Amino acid sequence: GAGVSQSPRYKVAKRGQDVALRCDPISGHVSLFWYQQALGQGPEFLTYFQNEAQLDKSGLPSDRFFAERPEGSVSTLKIQRTQQEDSAVYLCASSFGTGELFFGEGSRLTVL
Amino acid sequence: RKEVEQDPGPFNVPEGATVAFNCTYSNSASQSFFWYRQDCRKEPKLLMSVYSSGNEDGRFTAQLNRASQYISLLIRDSKLSDSATYLCVVSSLGGATNKLIFGTGTLLAVQP
Repeated sequence: GAGVSQSPRYKVAKRGQDVALRCDPISGHVSLFWYQQALGQGPEFLTYFQNEAQLDKSGLPSDRFFAERPEGSVSTLKIQRTQQEDSAVYLCASSFGTGELFFGEGSRLTVL
Repeated sequence: RKEVEQDPGPFNVPEGATVAFNCTYSNSASQSFFWYRQDCRKEPKLLMSVYSSGNEDGRFTAQLNRASQYISLLIRDSKLSDSATYLCVVSSLGGATNKLIFGTGTLLAVQP
């Protein structure tokens, strides 16, 4: 597709479950970012990849959060032992170098 | 103190009104500045970049004051379709990452 694709669009998890969120960036985009957006807030930076290298993970809130991009294209954000405070929209964005960020529609996670 | 601060609003204005949003940032080393627009339950999209000299795109004018670390967005002749959340965005240079830091957003509701 032409844009950033994220799946699933909606995920409901029971507290303690593990979840995996997928991002398929725009073809050829080197940079990939994950953001977390809580209700009524702006997106908060989680982590950044340049190709397959994770260059910044300073925004990951705890060691329950893990992201990978093994082949420099598709990325997965994994959250282990989900907690209610993890409920948010997880946005993936890609860019060619340091240019404009193109966001996917997000994965809305609800932890019960 | 958050790195990028905005008045969350909401700003309720009639069609045709002029409305201005302000934003301040704390990192004086920030290099790039943007306004993104986010419609309800949608992903953020780039509205315009902000340059030191000020820049205009149709009904939208953005200004940057580096000395005061202040960014503004002016919307003239508001349309119903301008109703959205406007996110002030600042690039943050840290290590290898040129990540974007988002404000909480300002909600604009244009009334008929």
